[in-house]
Amino acid sequence: GENVEQHPSTLSVQEGDSAVIKCTYSDSASNYFPWYKQELGKRPQLIIDIRSNVGEKKDQRIAVTLNKTAKHFSLHITETQPEDSAVYFCAASIRGKTSYDKVIFGPGTSLSVIP
Amino acid sequence: KAGVTQTPRYLIKTRGQQVTLSCSPISGHRSVSWYQQTPGQGLQFLFEYFSETQRNKGNFPGRFSGRQFSNSRSEMNVSTLELGDSALYLCASSLEDFESTQYFGPGTRLTVL
Repeated sequence: GENVEQHPSTLSVQEGDSAVIKCTYSDSASNYFPWYKQELGKRPQLIIDIRSNVGEKKDQRIAVTLNKTAKHFSLHITETQPEDSAVYFCAASIRGKTSYDKVIFGPGTSLSVIP
Repeated sequence: KAGVTQTPRYLIKTRGQQVTLSCSPISGHRSVSWYQQTPGQGLQFLFEYFSETQRNKGNFPGRFSGRQFSNSRSEMNVSTLELGDSALYLCASSLEDFESTQYFGPGTRLTVL
């Protein structure tokens, strides 16, 4: 069945270094790819998203790249800070005629930024 | 604007019982989605409601159902509870659909004994 793989499952980086999380999706009809950040004990928050007609999107220290041919998309965080420590989830959805038809999340990556 | 609220925040039930969870979206948001979060299965999409109609549904058994009222508030019901239903149930609201920014509620922690 359709699924979204996410790697790595855990990631530790030194403060100031970059972090990269990669997701691979199986359904080529997927056309919307959001990333969520969930701090311990808190609710998920959308941090960035990308649509299938765009190859890259950047928002300050966060960027997402999409490779439709290889069916993978990646989250890049530069100049990491301790407050970036959280679990990050990717997702892939397929938009139908009226709304999205399917939403699948990756298993999550636990990012630790060491001061 | 007030954020998404969910009640109750914590719930303990026994197997075979049923439970109803409530979600109040951000004012003006018409789409409400429900998700189940567990350590083993991660985040899974349950269903989405828009204008009082279920618009999309994930791969969950019929024991999981929901509804949306005219003021966009939504309820989720789980009948004949099983141990595996223990999870954090999150709702999220957005203006139109999944591609509009989704704002999550704090969740309801359901424990089935």
